[in-house]
Amino acid sequence: DAGITQSPRHKVTETGTPVTLRCHQTENHRYMYWYRQDPGHGLRLIHYSYGVKDTDKGEVSDGYSVSRSKTEDFLLTLESATSSQTSVYFCAIRQVDAYEQYFGPGTRLTVT
Amino acid sequence: RKEVEQDPGPFNVPEGATVAFNCTYSNSASQSFFWYRQDCRKEPKLLMSVYSSGNEDGRFTAQLNRASQYISLLIRDSKLSDSATYLCVPSTGTASKLTFGTGTRLQVTL
Repeated sequence: DAGITQSPRHKVTETGTPVTLRCHQTENHRYMYWYRQDPGHGLRLIHYSYGVKDTDKGEVSDGYSVSRSKTEDFLLTLESATSSQTSVYFCAIRQVDAYEQYFGPGTRLTVT
Repeated sequence: RKEVEQDPGPFNVPEGATVAFNCTYSNSASQSFFWYRQDCRKEPKLLMSVYSSGNEDGRFTAQLNRASQYISLLIRDSKLSDSATYLCVPSTGTASKLTFGTGTRLQVTL
């Protein structure tokens, strides 16, 4: 299995609070991605990173920010959580010379 | 039109059966294609990459038809452990952005 961990694995938070999710890899892969998965939808890309301090938006980036200060860590921040951000969040990694992505175990976030 | 279309199923098949899943994608710029499987409440796991000539990995065979924008997956000799949702996933661009549909659910029974 790819060396990807996500923390926390489960979180319940209140509307309006800030939340940060962490993705950590031990593979030294250049590319990292954040997705969300909701019932009735496939996984949707939130943001991705193609190197330290290099990030770009995905299709559902509103309300989210990311940071990557080290190769191994990619942080996803919800500045002010809303109930519509209740979801399962998956991180993925990819080598620069391949197209396959490998996913972490996910974080279940509930915003009440 | 959805970017990735798959029959949601469920496909209920007995152990040992052969089952085929089909998928169409709308973005003709898609360059690479994958099948992932996802178990309930788990992360997607890469099952196989799909090459233009078609490829086989054990009991699994994938086919790609770029002209028709169509991908298929054949599973032979189904096992109980094959029960999962199968996701057809094209990727686009140098950043390899993946496009997911909602997948096809397979239930293999005794």
